[in-house]
Amino acid sequence: DGGITQSPKYLFRKEGQNVTLSCEQNLNHDAMYWYRQDPGQGLRLIYYSQIVNDFQKGDIAEGYSVSREKKESFPLTVTSAQKNPTAFYLCASSIPGGPTGETQYFGPGTRLLVL
Amino acid sequence: GQQVMQIPQYQHVQEGEDFTTYCNSSTTLSNIQWYKQRPGGHPVFLIQLVKSGEVKKQKRLTFQFGEAKKNSSLHITATQTTDVGTYFCAGGMGYSTLTFGKGTMLLVSP
Repeated sequence: DGGITQSPKYLFRKEGQNVTLSCEQNLNHDAMYWYRQDPGQGLRLIYYSQIVNDFQKGDIAEGYSVSREKKESFPLTVTSAQKNPTAFYLCASSIPGGPTGETQYFGPGTRLLVL
Repeated sequence: GQQVMQIPQYQHVQEGEDFTTYCNSSTTLSNIQWYKQRPGGHPVFLIQLVKSGEVKKQKRLTFQFGEAKKNSSLHITATQTTDVGTYFCAGGMGYSTLTFGKGTMLLVSP
């Protein structure tokens, strides 16, 4: 059964802690993305990766880090430098866009709450 | 940078009424995509429009891409309670990433 999995579904973080959100896909997609969703703010791009061992900053990368050591995996670390990390985090994957652009497939998301 | 504006932010309709959400880009797009997110869920791809003036239909949903490829709309005829959710447009610039609008939240009362 192909798809994107994210874990955990809910995550609680204490002030000053780093936490890592998992994203795994078995769709054989080259490109993967991390978005942050806040109420009324839509989807904002944090980081994306078009190929293994390479990734690019999105619009709101400060306070986050990623790695792309395997095609299937694109974990996101929310560091203590991210001052307002409480949000819904969505991972997506796609075949890299050609002239008509890519369609993105989303995972179920992780809700992060800072205590 | 590229901006995608979406209106209205929120709409509440009675079941059976029509609904439309509009999407406008600050730049010419190579394609526009529409996604639906149910409450508590994740965005799910609905459709992609590529050609200037393109119109596509999916049952009660009609999607349009403007002639200048800078605006788009999604129209739902005779809404049902199953249509509840947030509808996002996302503009593509070819090989670059998508830029999502902030979405239109649709609430349908029975």
